[in-house]
Amino acid sequence: AQSVAQPEDQVNVAEGNPLTVKCTYSVSGNPYLFWYVQYPNRGLQFLLKYITGDNLVKGSYGFEAEFNKSQTSFHLKKPSALVSDSALYFCAVITYNQGGKLIFGQGTELSVKP
Amino acid sequence: SAVISQKPSRDICQRGTSLTIQCQVDSQVTMMFWYRQQPGQSLTLIATANQGSEATYESGFVIDKFPISRPNLTFSTLTVSNMSPEDSSIYLCSVTGTGTSYEQYFGPGTRLTVT
Repeated sequence: AQSVAQPEDQVNVAEGNPLTVKCTYSVSGNPYLFWYVQYPNRGLQFLLKYITGDNLVKGSYGFEAEFNKSQTSFHLKKPSALVSDSALYFCAVITYNQGGKLIFGQGTELSVKP
Repeated sequence: SAVISQKPSRDICQRGTSLTIQCQVDSQVTMMFWYRQQPGQSLTLIATANQGSEATYESGFVIDKFPISRPNLTFSTLTVSNMSPEDSSIYLCSVTGTGTSYEQYFGPGTRLTVT
């Protein structure tokens, strides 16, 4: 079965420090991977994606993610965290052998303290 | 990216009643999706709604409980029927990006509370 795992329910980071939000996946075939962010009382916002090509992809708000095929991971990173980055982050994968459905991880709550 | 609106943004409903949620997109799209996000949880796909065909439901979701309409390429509705407190969730619609961009764009969601 296709799945996405985010092993940390919560990540706490001090402002200015680098942050990493972890994601691993299990799919058959080539994965199309995504990160979304959800701020309180708001919908999901697309951050970045990996489809093919360079393993390091850059997205909105200074975020980036590295695709690692051997470790089946797609960790989200930012060199210097901001308090305004505090939100709920979701990793997701599309499985085109199942009609393009988006499968989400369980989410990671990021808290950035001043 | 597409601009998506949903109505209502939130509602409080009584047990046993039904609520219809509307999703409007500012451009024509082939595939629309409806998701449920239960309190403190991730998103779960309810169904895929393609214009001109019956919606395709995921395991655990049935048409009698969540009827969906897709009358044209910019609009869809999801009805939550015979509601119970367990239906209290955020309901979100999404659409795929244009061309081969693959990502989905989400509406702001409808926060439903059933009492």
